[in-house]
Amino acid sequence: EVQLVESGGVVVQPGDSLRLSCAASGFTFDDYGMHWVRQAPGQGLEWVSLISWDGRSTYYADSVKGRFTISRDTSKDSLYLQMNNLRAEDTGLYFCAKDNNSGESSGYYGFDYWGQGTLVTVSS
Amino acid sequence: DIQMTQSPSSLSASVGDRVTITCRASQSISRYLNWYQQKPGKAPKLLIFAASTLQSGVPSRFSGSGSGTDFTLTISSLQPEDFATYYCQQSYNTPRGFTFGPGTKVDIK
Repeated sequence: EVQLVESGGVVVQPGDSLRLSCAASGFTFDDYGMHWVRQAPGQGLEWVSLISWDGRSTYYADSVKGRFTISRDTSKDSLYLQMNNLRAEDTGLYFCAKDNNSGESSGYYGFDYWGQGTLVTVSS
Repeated sequence: DIQMTQSPSSLSASVGDRVTITCRASQSISRYLNWYQQKPGKAPKLLIFAASTLQSGVPSRFSGSGSGTDFTLTISSLQPEDFATYYCQQSYNTPRGFTFGPGTKVDIK
């Protein structure tokens, strides 16, 4: 059974840094691109970042580019999101999600498994 | 950037009703369109990818159609467990962006 379990969400102040983690199990982690998606309270979904199956390529939404860094550790089957210079508008539930297609075609066919999310609150 | 819109933003329906949700892209996205269902407090669930391919395990009452800029999600006979918010998502821009639509909330009439 595929499982994705996020952790690391807390209340922080504007300008602070935070690292989110996502522990993956039930599939061959090395074969799939992985994403972070966030959802502000009562709002819709916003894609945040993608890391390719081999970790060599990373992509970001314009809203987080230069502040967030996605990474993965294949030895731990884990995905990470380093968030720096946090802003109030970064507040939300952060989901990690697995790509629906293995290998190079990251994202074309949607995200088939999602974690339960971890809540980040940025407030002074 | 590709913008996604959905209509209606919400609808009320009864069990057994046929429900159609529309999604429109600001430019042609071929068939790179996915649909998700999200219930309160839960993660989104992939229903349909590539405009019309049903994800494994999803009931056949869900169907998708369209190409280019206009797409639809249809629930042929609404069931109690289908009351949720539905999002479309473009994946044409992969890997540089995966824009979601604003969502359509389906609730009980």
